[in-house]
Amino acid sequence: QQQVKQSPQSLIVQKGGISIINCAYENTAFDYFPWYQQFPGKGPALLIAIRPDVSEKKEGRFTISFNKSAKQFSLHIMDSQPGDSATYFCAFAGVYNQGGKLIFGQGTELSVKP
Amino acid sequence: DAGVTQSPTHLIKTRGQHVTLRCSPISGHKSVSWYQQVLGQGPQFIFQYYEKEERGRGNFPDRFSARQFPNYSSELNVNALLLGDSALYLCASSRLTSGGHNEQFFGPGTRLTVL
Repeated sequence: QQQVKQSPQSLIVQKGGISIINCAYENTAFDYFPWYQQFPGKGPALLIAIRPDVSEKKEGRFTISFNKSAKQFSLHIMDSQPGDSATYFCAFAGVYNQGGKLIFGQGTELSVKP
Repeated sequence: DAGVTQSPTHLIKTRGQHVTLRCSPISGHKSVSWYQQVLGQGPQFIFQYYEKEERGRGNFPDRFSARQFPNYSSELNVNALLLGDSALYLCASSRLTSGGHNEQFFGPGTRLTVL
């Protein structure tokens, strides 16, 4: 069963623009929400993570906004750069991580044009 | 500090064969998880091991098995390979955050092609 919906599937942004990727989840038992960045041929790299008791978290140009009532959260990349071009995955984990299981979204392929 | 290492980088097998993939976690991490990533999709959870014990299993057939060694390295074994097993196999090493969550760091993966 699909527990998470990530959108858009692909995104093209001009250099300096804001990239916004959204994720919606169904299971209210989720309590850990990381974002991963993956370049072709590489493993996913942890970007930033948030817990549901926080509505926003910022690290450098990356910000997570969390809406617990709507069961949605989003990644904002400010001042997007060509080097940000990669596939981004939202992920979820349940209470006590249910044995270490991360559930991933379908991914968003971001292309930042110079 | 070295990150998660996996071997081999690439592997080509034929249907029906067996494969063993290896992973070494980040120093100090005691937990290892395995994921399968099919092209164009997000990773799918296969197993998690902590202190040599299986702590979680995803929705994969019994042809998939794993184990963790006393030095916390791990092996993923897949028997009777099918064409559909072709994927990038990722190992993640994790540490417990102050909030009680497993913060997972991924290795570069092993690209398995089944012909």
